[in-house]
Amino acid sequence: GDSVTQMEGPVTLSEEAFLTINCTYTATGYPSLFWYVQYPGEGLQLLLKATKADDKGSNKGFEATYRKETTSFHLEKGSVQVSDSAVYFCALSDLMIKAAGNKLTFGGGTRVLVKP
Amino acid sequence: DSGVTQTPKHLITATGQRVTLRCSPRSGDLSVYWYQQSLDQGLQFLIQYYNGEERAKGNILERFSAQQFPDLHSELNLSSLELGDSALYFCASSALLAGGTDTQYFGPGTRLTVL
Repeated sequence: GDSVTQMEGPVTLSEEAFLTINCTYTATGYPSLFWYVQYPGEGLQLLLKATKADDKGSNKGFEATYRKETTSFHLEKGSVQVSDSAVYFCALSDLMIKAAGNKLTFGGGTRVLVKP
Repeated sequence: DSGVTQTPKHLITATGQRVTLRCSPRSGDLSVYWYQQSLDQGLQFLIQYYNGEERAKGNILERFSAQQFPDLHSELNLSSLELGDSALYFCASSALLAGGTDTQYFGPGTRLTVL
């Protein structure tokens, strides 16, 4: 079945540091890939997405490129802020199983803590 | 604000009891999804409804059931509650049944504590 693996946290950084969170996936079809962010005490917010190979999703300074050859979708940000402290989830939705709906399969989440 | 609302925000109950969680999707969205977030299992898909019909099922226990009403709001019913059911339950909605361009928008969640 589908699965998503992302690096375990917590990741602790100083402000303005470079952030990378690794995410790899296995899927039977042609998945769309997503990064969601969960701020303390809140629900999940979509951060960015990519729907086909070599697509780059970007939002709020975050970027991730859909790499089919390495089955990866690593999240990067060049200069983090304290406000980026949150839990980040990589997820996939497998397009091959349209008739069966559209569930998201999530990775375990990576907690990021940015210190001033 | 995603436009998805969930009530209640917190729920504390005892083992063996039954609770109902409610979700209102974003205006115009036909699909509603339920997810469970727990420390040991992470974020897991439970069930999807599309325009009133069940369309996909995940790791949902037989003690749990859901439905989507004609006004498209959804309820998740949890019965014979056990300590291990304590978790954050999220509802999400999307416009379509399936497809790569379809994005799921999540509500703030209901935190269930079973004592």
